[in-house]
Amino acid sequence: GAGVSQSPSNKVTEKGKDVELRCDPISGHTALYWYRQSLGQGLEFLIYFQGNSAPDKSGLPSDRFSAERTGGSVSTLTIQRTQQEDSAVYLCASRISGFEQFFGPGTRLTVL
Amino acid sequence: GENVEQHPSTLSVQEGDSAVIKCTYSDSASNYFPWYKQELGKGPQLIIDIRSNVGEKKDQRIAVTLNKTAKHFSLHITETQPEDSAVYFCAASIGGSNYQLIWGAGTKLIIKP
Repeated sequence: GAGVSQSPSNKVTEKGKDVELRCDPISGHTALYWYRQSLGQGLEFLIYFQGNSAPDKSGLPSDRFSAERTGGSVSTLTIQRTQQEDSAVYLCASRISGFEQFFGPGTRLTVL
Repeated sequence: GENVEQHPSTLSVQEGDSAVIKCTYSDSASNYFPWYKQELGKGPQLIIDIRSNVGEKKDQRIAVTLNKTAKHFSLHITETQPEDSAVYFCAASIGGSNYQLIWGAGTKLIIKP
């Protein structure tokens, strides 16, 4: 079946612009994560959605970052007024039960 | 706060030899320890995991060992093959959480032909 998809695969933007990154989780997966992966670093947790529960936003680095998940499926991560330090690969993962997370291929964001 | 340290950052081994990657964690309440493999241009993929009530788990050429007293766990890959070349990440659950993980910084494994 189809895995987790993310779009765009690459995004180049200018400092100060807003960007939206999209994640389509595996159908039926109730849990969804966003991570940030900087070069040579591990995965930095950003936000977690589980069903209709309030999301865990504890990993969002600043109020310029926000995410929503509509209808319990597609999620959008928005970064406002992008800065150069926001350049990274943004990964989305979904999970249905248990522990295993299924990752998408990521969106590589470059802020000039 | 909780953290996971992973070593080495880069590991180069001859094809056919074994590779070992080690992680230490700080949260004594962690009870779930997965290993993910990330190939170039792809997202990480779970390859093996272990729970705190088990000391070792094997799956063909891959094994993971856990020492809860010392708070460290290791990934062992035997008879390495070119397709094992990738970045490997360890992670540990935050306490008894079934959804929050703390991730290591990754190990780039290079298999030399």
